[in-house]
Amino acid sequence: KAGVTQTPRYLIKTRGQQVTLSCSPISGHRSVSWYQQTPGQGLQFLFEYFSETQRNKGNFPGRFSGRQFSNSRSEMNVSTLELGDSALYLCASSLEGGRAQNSPLHFGNGTRLTVT
Amino acid sequence: GQQVMQIPQYQHVQEGEDFTTYCNSSTTLSNIQWYKQRPGGHPVFLIQLVKSGEVKKQKRLTFQFGEAKKNSSLHITATQTTDVGTYFCASGGYQKVTFGTGTKLQVIP
Repeated sequence: KAGVTQTPRYLIKTRGQQVTLSCSPISGHRSVSWYQQTPGQGLQFLFEYFSETQRNKGNFPGRFSGRQFSNSRSEMNVSTLELGDSALYLCASSLEGGRAQNSPLHFGNGTRLTVT
Repeated sequence: GQQVMQIPQYQHVQEGEDFTTYCNSSTTLSNIQWYKQRPGGHPVFLIQLVKSGEVKKQKRLTFQFGEAKKNSSLHITATQTTDVGTYFCASGGYQKVTFGTGTKLQVIP
């Protein structure tokens, strides 16, 4: 089975621009979660989607948004980029969703975003 | 919201020494998972614990879930250079998995 695929792997943007990141989950996984990873803050939960519905959202400003398509693929968008948005953005898929008791998270390789 | 703290933040050990990382929560956890992230890589699921007092082993790795389900530990016996990485505990909530702060392990050959 193919793993979680994230594109692009690396991205360089300037302040004020917007960016869209893509995630293709493992076949059969209906839940997709997004995390921001920085050296200082660790793994921060952004949001979780299941069957095209956002079920939970972390404490991030409205500039961070996402969506999920009928084939479970997900996209994440960040508008009006700030320097502090530089981070590794990780996507994870699972069978059941965020309840860790039911299904572990399978992570993609991430997208390394640098904002200059 | 649910917060999960891990200690220590960093650990350097000589190859062959043991290593332990601890995960603590102020609230009762429904379950705990452990992940390992190699340098430059992504987190990879290791194991899941659900029951109070549960102990699971994977070769040199021993995982424990506290009796009160508020803490957990990962112990590695006789570390090897392949154990290098950051170890995260994580706990599931309502459609959300919260990760601990992580323990970065360095193994000196």
